[in-house]
Amino acid sequence: RKEVEQDPGPFNVPEGATVAFNCTYSNSASQSFFWYRQDCRKEPKLLMSVYSSGNEDGRFTAQLNRASQYISLLIRDSKLSDSATYLCVVNVAWGKLQFGAGTQVVVTP
Amino acid sequence: EPEVTQTPSHQVTQMGQEVILRCVPISNHLYFYWYRQILGQKVEFLVSFYNNEISEKSEIFDDQFSVERPDGSNFTLKIRSTKLEDSAMYFCASTKGDPSDGYTFGSGTRLTVV
Repeated sequence: RKEVEQDPGPFNVPEGATVAFNCTYSNSASQSFFWYRQDCRKEPKLLMSVYSSGNEDGRFTAQLNRASQYISLLIRDSKLSDSATYLCVVNVAWGKLQFGAGTQVVVTP
Repeated sequence: EPEVTQTPSHQVTQMGQEVILRCVPISNHLYFYWYRQILGQKVEFLVSFYNNEISEKSEIFDDQFSVERPDGSNFTLKIRSTKLEDSAMYFCASTKGDPSDGYTFGSGTRLTVV
């Protein structure tokens, strides 16, 4: 089983629509969780940290389910600028991040 | 907004040559990291560094790799004898400490070994 597994997509989303996708992780001792965004050939940029209670940042909502070892991201009212690869990232030990391969989202006009 | 700075942005080197990739982490950050991303693949952890020593390293980080913080601002990754398979984007990252703060990545150095 892959350490951090994501549906690669692409998810083709009409502008204004909602898109959601998940990620599963294998290390039950993982300590913290993040969604990063990566544009083509650029560095990963932190989108949001993910907490068990669920958290929201504007149009983005993240959820963590520790029992089932999955993390979700929901994007509401998609904008063209949301087109990117979304990386599920798990902190398995201090400083050691495990990255998923990413979920590609393409928002279309 | 504070940022992590990496130089050069692109480095081409011949197989067997030594390369040094440079990073200037955010000034009040205490933990420093190197990650790499081979084209089309996921980002992979290489090494973490704290208090002037390596905290953790991956299987990728073998004897050909070394890191150093030569002064109060720079953080370097050295590859002693580059191989073709070292071609990748190398990202430096830093964090204050609390993992839940998230990590700030530099814009990366694209290393091409020919």
